Amino acid sequence: GAVVSQHPSWVICKSGTSVKIECRSLDFQATTMFWYRQFPKQSLMLMATSNEGSKATYEQGVEKDKFLINHASLTLSTLTVTSAHPEDSSFYICSARSGAYQPQHFGDGTRLSIL
Amino acid sequence: AQTVTQSQPEMSVQEAETVTLSCTYDTSESDYYLFWYKQPPSRQMILVIRQEAYKQQNATENRFSVNFQKAAKSFSLKISDSQLGDAAMYFCAYRSPPNSGNTPLVFGKGTRLSVIA
Repeated sequence: GAVVSQHPSWVICKSGTSVKIECRSLDFQATTMFWYRQFPKQSLMLMATSNEGSKATYEQGVEKDKFLINHASLTLSTLTVTSAHPEDSSFYICSARSGAYQPQHFGDGTRLSIL
Repeated sequence: AQTVTQSQPEMSVQEAETVTLSCTYDTSESDYYLFWYKQPPSRQMILVIRQEAYKQQNATENRFSVNFQKAAKSFSLKISDSQLGDAAMYFCAYRSPPNSGNTPLVFGKGTRLSVIA
């Protein structure tokens, strides 16, 4: 149980395009979802937290207009990297939980490469 | 804000031996959760073990156990009978109590563990 599916697992696109990453909770309702970014050989850095039906809360230094997060349903959150540039290339991981006292479950991540 | 420190960027252990990974954290909260996650080359985040701060007993999961020292704010992970499949990046993580907001996991920088056959 408690499976989080993240799609796509790897995407390569040209600079200037927008890329959407989906995060789905397959067998539970995710009241809260988290988006992390991980650079090579580094730790996971929290980008934003989203609660279903509410606007996402972004961490300091994360551009909310660059990284659009939508949590429209209890099973789906999306991260859209708008007008992506090479410096946005990274590994993005979503995480979800069903309640405040529940553990966080992680997706398998998305490797984003911007050419 | 809470911080998590892992002072060992890399560690190595002989197969079948025991290794301990260190983690310290800084917090003013009295109730919280601590975790160890494993990230193999596939980059999937795998929960290894968790500890509730109000529990004095150290958590154990098969070959994995922790040494939780609340007063010292220390949370080390011991891996016994190390196996080749244990080779991975290990992250220590902190989580505030549920009644304090969204409470995402806060991660340390990680320790890369190599297992030598």
